[in-house]
Amino acid sequence: EAQVTQNPRYLITVTGKKLTVTCSQNMNHEYMSWYRQDPGLGLRQIYYSMNVEVTDKGDVPEGYKVSRKEKRNFPLILESPSPNQTSLYFCASSLSRGGSPLHFGNGTRLTVT
Amino acid sequence: DAKTTQPPSMDCAEGRAANLPCNHSTISGNEYVYWYRQIHSQGPQYIIHGLKNNETNEMASLIITEDRKSSTLILPHATLRDTAVYYCIVRSRGGKLIFGQGTELSVKP
Repeated sequence: EAQVTQNPRYLITVTGKKLTVTCSQNMNHEYMSWYRQDPGLGLRQIYYSMNVEVTDKGDVPEGYKVSRKEKRNFPLILESPSPNQTSLYFCASSLSRGGSPLHFGNGTRLTVT
Repeated sequence: DAKTTQPPSMDCAEGRAANLPCNHSTISGNEYVYWYRQIHSQGPQYIIHGLKNNETNEMASLIITEDRKSSTLILPHATLRDTAVYYCIVRSRGGKLIFGQGTELSVKP
């Protein structure tokens, strides 16, 4: 089944403890992206990647890192999480063409205390 | 990427057509119009997209005006399960996909 898989679904951590949220897609998509969703602010793009080894900042990249060493994986790294990074995170992927739909994962709810 | 404007909320009676409008007056020639919906805190679900022509699939129809400055998503026979937030987005090739606040559609019995 074609899908975008994020792990974990839920994560509670403490300030400053490095964490990684994994994202994997099995559709051979070139384009991958991370979003965070907060009440009243909607979905905001954190980082995106057009292909392997190509990543770019979205609208809210501060405090996050990403890597794209392989086509299928696009992990989101929080080197030193802070409470303002408590949010619902979504990974998404698509073919790089403009007319290609973005497929979303089921989300990761992160709480930083 | 062009911005979009949608009404914050709409109601629709079950079984009737839901027509959700979207303005994208700054859309450029290579930008597609996409519609997604999000139910509770699930991942956004793709509904339909188009460039110039009207489109229809098993979920919905998309009507794009001739000048491409606005579009309408039509759910032909809304059900209670169509209650969700609907997002209209424009996107160019590999470009940022910017979500607005969307329209909260409530389908009522």
